[in-house]
Amino acid sequence: GQQVMQIPQYQHVQEGEDFTTYCNSSTTLSNIQWYKQRPGGHPVFLIQLVKSGEVKKQKRLTFQFGEAKKNSSLHITATQTTDVGTYFCAGGSNYKLTFGKGTLLTVNP
Amino acid sequence: NAGVTQTPKFQVLKTGQSMTLQCAQDMNHNSMYWYRQDPGMGLRLIYYSASEGTTDKGEVPNGYNVSRLNKREFSLRLESAAPSQTSVYFCASLYTDTQYFGPGTRLTVL
Repeated sequence: GQQVMQIPQYQHVQEGEDFTTYCNSSTTLSNIQWYKQRPGGHPVFLIQLVKSGEVKKQKRLTFQFGEAKKNSSLHITATQTTDVGTYFCAGGSNYKLTFGKGTLLTVNP
Repeated sequence: NAGVTQTPKFQVLKTGQSMTLQCAQDMNHNSMYWYRQDPGMGLRLIYYSASEGTTDKGEVPNGYNVSRLNKREFSLRLESAAPSQTSVYFCASLYTDTQYFGPGTRLTVL
């Protein structure tokens, strides 16, 4: 079955540093989604990428979808303590998403 | 709108006991899902219902059953709980490519 791998598993940064998490799929994806889960909370949808090579920005967050539609990245510029949480990528058909294991981001103020 | 609601929030069971986790959404979404989340394992799909009246197995269905009672409600049943089913369970619904998650149920099986 489809596998979605995400690295790193953990990342600790000082406030103000940048952060990037990477997602790789064993198969070509029709789209990729990113979710954020705050500690003790539930996953919340951030964005969906559909097109090959697509880049989308949400304030300090930049999302990229690879040209081959098999990888994606999320980059946060100048992290803040409010960015703390686990970031998941998810790919697959809309009825069945396969989630990566997530990257836990901690930020030291 | 309450969104996706789940009950109970917490539950402790003994091995062999049964229970049903309830999920409801008031957004008129067609598709609903049950996931379990374990440390370091991400979110794994247990069962899903693409539309009212249909259910399908996900990645880890063993030990679980589901019922799509109506468009709003999708329940998950553990017939004979095992310690390996200790986890956080999330229900979700789907609308225009976005999955909306409930707050989760933290289940401990002793």
